[in-house]
Amino acid sequence: DAGVIQSPRHEVTEMGQEVTLRCKPISGHDYLFWYRQTMMRGLELLIYFNNNVPIDDSGMPEDRFSAKMPNASFSTLKIQPSEPRDSAVYFCASSFGAGGEETQYFGPGTRLLVL
Amino acid sequence: SQQGEEDPQALSIQEGENATMNCSYKTSINNLQWYRQNSGRGLVHLILIRSNEREKHSGRLRVTLDTSKKSSSLLITASRAADTASYFCATAPNTPLVFGKGTRLSVIA
Repeated sequence: DAGVIQSPRHEVTEMGQEVTLRCKPISGHDYLFWYRQTMMRGLELLIYFNNNVPIDDSGMPEDRFSAKMPNASFSTLKIQPSEPRDSAVYFCASSFGAGGEETQYFGPGTRLLVL
Repeated sequence: SQQGEEDPQALSIQEGENATMNCSYKTSINNLQWYRQNSGRGLVHLILIRSNEREKHSGRLRVTLDTSKKSSSLLITASRAADTASYFCATAPNTPLVFGKGTRLSVIA
């Protein structure tokens, strides 16, 4: 298996622009997680899905952030409009099962810089 | 909110030495996991220890768990330069996992 795939790997954009991050989870995994990592705040869980359904989006910082999972093999995280404080590394992870026994498999991340 | 807190925040050792990192958490857990993150990469799962276990080994890794003190430690024996990375504990009070801020380990050759 190719593992969790994220695209793009790097994104540089200007404030106010729309940013779309993409994720393809490992086939057969039923949970998908979006994280944001910064030096100041560490690794933050933004939202997670179970069988394509959003379960908890309480970590989404603002209405400017939205996430979708139209099918089991694809998810997007959108920021509209983007702001400089959104600059971070965004990770997607997937797992089979939950309840704490699962191993989460992380993608390589998207490094976002908003100017 | 973050459940686990790693200590120290940063650690620098010589190759061949042992490295010990600690994790403290606040609420009851079902299990605790340790992950490693190499620079510029995603996190990689290392080991899981359940709440009814006290110690677990995997290769050069040794993990202990003290539920009475709400703490865990990760020991890497005979460290190598390739062990240079950040190490995170992740606790499972419920779904999903809650990650700490990590310990940055530097192993100097």
